[in-house]
Amino acid sequence: NAGVTQTPKFRVLKTGQSMTLLCAQDMNHEYMYWYRQDPGMGLRLIHYSVGEGTTAKGEVPDGYNVSRLKKQNFLLGLESAAPSQTSVYFCASSLGVWVDTQYFGPGTRLTVL
Amino acid sequence: DQQVKQNSPSLSVQEGRISILNCDYTNSMFDYFLWYKKYPAEGPTFLISISSIKDKNEDGRFTVFLNKSAKHLSLHIVPSQPGDSAVYFCAASSYSSNTGKLIFGQGTTLQVKP
Repeated sequence: NAGVTQTPKFRVLKTGQSMTLLCAQDMNHEYMYWYRQDPGMGLRLIHYSVGEGTTAKGEVPDGYNVSRLKKQNFLLGLESAAPSQTSVYFCASSLGVWVDTQYFGPGTRLTVL
Repeated sequence: DQQVKQNSPSLSVQEGRISILNCDYTNSMFDYFLWYKKYPAEGPTFLISISSIKDKNEDGRFTVFLNKSAKHLSLHIVPSQPGDSAVYFCAASSYSSNTGKLIFGQGTTLQVKP
């Protein structure tokens, strides 16, 4: 099992450009999450999904959109990137509400110039 | 409004000694607490957890203590090893939300010196 994988690992964007981050899990997990990590802020939840076809907002959803068309994939989109979105993005998945089963991917480092 | 706080950005201890990492929370709805460990360029990995119905949970060298009245939890690592050097995040969750959402603290960087 690969667990949780994230594509790409690194990306540099210019202000105003768009991109999509892909998260994939092979553990048949129902719940998936997108977090961002910033210095001194810990990890903050952007959006999450409690099942295929569902999405919901987390703590810091502005400027991001998500889609969960397939159970194993959770996509995070930036329509018009801003320097404030420079961060490390982590995807996670879990069996359900049992947070002990929440596994994280290796992260995507995004820089917006 | 930071619901979960780790007020010590860093901690340095000698190998073999005890490491104590602290975490405070403000939301009374939190009923499950976790500690994650993170190495550079990797995702966080689950370390240990505790339910609000307990005040202590132990797993090998790691023990988590929960003081609900003070809204405080701590992670004890005994004995500390150089391989424990990492960033430790405290996280809290509310099962009643049925979402599995985790609220994280800012993290504490632990350095264990040989």
